[in-house]
Amino acid sequence: DTVLTQSPALAVSPGERVTISCKASESVSTRMHWYQQKPGQQSKLLIYKASNLASGVPARFSGSGSGTDFTLTIDPVEADDTATYFCQQSWNGRTFGGGTKLELK
Amino acid sequence: EIQLQESGPGLVKPSQSLSLTCSVTGYTITSGYDWSWIRKFPGNKMEWMGYISYSGSTNYNPSLKSRISITRDTSKNQFFLQLNSVTTEDTATYYCARYTYYGYEDYWGQGVMVTVSS
Repeated sequence: DTVLTQSPALAVSPGERVTISCKASESVSTRMHWYQQKPGQQSKLLIYKASNLASGVPARFSGSGSGTDFTLTIDPVEADDTATYFCQQSWNGRTFGGGTKLELK
Repeated sequence: EIQLQESGPGLVKPSQSLSLTCSVTGYTITSGYDWSWIRKFPGNKMEWMGYISYSGSTNYNPSLKSRISITRDTSKNQFFLQLNSVTTEDTATYYCARYTYYGYEDYWGQGVMVTVSS
């Protein structure tokens, strides 16, 4: 299985720029997708196929990368962005990263 | 607006079957797309379990293939998860979602927590 590695947690101040990384154990081309998850709420698709903004997602969110290294950028960060962010690949089967918990200072 | 809602028992005994329902509103599950189940274990590890297509065919995670069944009731616009012979390792939050051609889920339910314990 393709293993996706994410940093477990980040803390930033509102208004700052944050990048969340996801590293794949083997190439996944651009079949990397990003989700936002908040307790008790529906998970939200943010970015699909590495860099495509999902419908209704603010332009503050962006994605980049190909092969094994991917990033999700939020710029600027807002208080409502407190959540856990997951990456997921669909090139070699389907696997998820361990999630990055984003906290606001 | 497309909405998905999971329902089912929150507690299942070891060796029994786990059965969950996903009710879909705002889209007819036979119109297109595939309909998946995903779970998140304590500690945040997530696992894609499988899907049922708009035509009724299924595709399962090989690691679960002997224990999982995904079915549907088109008259109620619902689809179902059954996981047999559960153990405490199946304790997780279970999500249903709409699954797209490129392998991502664009609509999710809120999730239902299921604990396997005697």
